[in-house]
Amino acid sequence: ILNVEQSPQSLHVQEGDSTNFTCSFPSSNFYALHWYRWETAKSPEALFVMTLNGDEKKKGRISATLNTKEGYSYLYIKGSQPEDSATYLCALSDSNSGYALNFGKGTSLLVTP
Amino acid sequence: ETGVTQSPTHLIKTRGQQVTLRCSSQSGHNTVSWYQQALGQGPQFIFQYYREEENGRGNFPPRFSGLQFPNYSSELNVNALELDDSALYLCASSLLLPGPDGTDTQYFGPGTRLTVL
Repeated sequence: ILNVEQSPQSLHVQEGDSTNFTCSFPSSNFYALHWYRWETAKSPEALFVMTLNGDEKKKGRISATLNTKEGYSYLYIKGSQPEDSATYLCALSDSNSGYALNFGKGTSLLVTP
Repeated sequence: ETGVTQSPTHLIKTRGQQVTLRCSSQSGHNTVSWYQQALGQGPQFIFQYYREEENGRGNFPPRFSGLQFPNYSSELNVNALELDDSALYLCASSLLLPGPDGTDTQYFGPGTRLTVL
């Protein structure tokens, strides 16, 4: 089991604020990093899969970066909206665990108008 | 939505009983993975099935077992339920191609909430 840590545990921002979260992981045997967004009572939604050091991905107002050498990924949300309120999970797959995803505990984001 | 469905949505059982949870994969996917999310934790990998064979297993006892059917739907069976088995159970389907590729996106269902009394 890989130790994937996410911070902060929770975050409360105002509509229009930009925000970012961190996912830290052991850098050895890295294979891929996945970001998911999970709204209450819905299925986790895949946001990004990142594999290469220096990868940057973007989807609308959400973007992510990856540093495999130091073992971290940042998720950024620009101009947060109430509909961005959700739990954001990162998960690591590595060459030892095959295709199993090792999840962090998530960052819970609340965006208020 | 992901096209992955799970049933039932909620379930209440008592200690010692057995339970079967079901998952229908997204069309065209050949792999299903099951995860357990206990309160306050991230999802934990239980096992994965690829073309009806177990393809990997996490740190769960043998009383957790599974099946994958020819139509790629899947079941998770838990025998001799314990209080600590109370959790949200998620299944995820993906398209696993030949060769090592850990980047396949896994598409999750909404989960089954199991309560053991």
